[in-house]
Amino acid sequence: DVKVTQSSRYLVKRTGEKVFLECVQDMDHENMFWYRQDPGLGLRLIYFSYDVKMKEKGDIPEGYSVSREKKERFSLILESASTNQTSMYLCASSLGWGAEQFFGPGTRLTVL
Amino acid sequence: AQSVTQLDSQVPVFEEAPVELRCNYSSSVSVYLFWYVQYPNQGLQLLLKYLSGSTLVESINGFEAEFNKSQTSFHLRKPSVHISDTAEYFCAVRGTGAGSYQLTFGKGTKLSVIP
Repeated sequence: DVKVTQSSRYLVKRTGEKVFLECVQDMDHENMFWYRQDPGLGLRLIYFSYDVKMKEKGDIPEGYSVSREKKERFSLILESASTNQTSMYLCASSLGWGAEQFFGPGTRLTVL
Repeated sequence: AQSVTQLDSQVPVFEEAPVELRCNYSSSVSVYLFWYVQYPNQGLQLLLKYLSGSTLVESINGFEAEFNKSQTSFHLRKPSVHISDTAEYFCAVRGTGAGSYQLTFGKGTKLSVIP
């Protein structure tokens, strides 16, 4: 079974803090994705990566950055957290560009 | 660019009744279509997908969806729902071209099954 794990299920941070969200997949997938999910807005793509050290902006990259130093790990970074970044963050991975995306359980981030 | 419209944000239905969750998409290119399900406090799971071939696709738990190119729709149906089907359902679309990594999601439909 494909497994996508995220470092925390719940996280509470203060405004201005630097926040790291970690995602690890165990199936040697090439592609990894970060989404945020908000009520009534569905899922919106923040960033994705199709190879180590490669990244592409999604629909809402402002205020975020990413890092992919190893194939299995994709990190989302909030350089200076703000209250409007309070959300559910979902990581996903896929084997190839045409393949199914597998999702992690999500991290619910609250910024106070 | 693609967009997805899920016409109903919430659908309450009695147990053992049929249900249809509607999804329409807009795209200037050929697309693949997906339905994902999210149970409470969990990530998304793929329910079914249309890539090519038969326009009617089925899942293992009794859901089916039909790709209608002329109406740009991919509605999800189940003839008899169970309490365990209570979840949020997301329709998604992706282009078929090489390098089409991005899934575009609808805003979701919350299905509530009433005993």
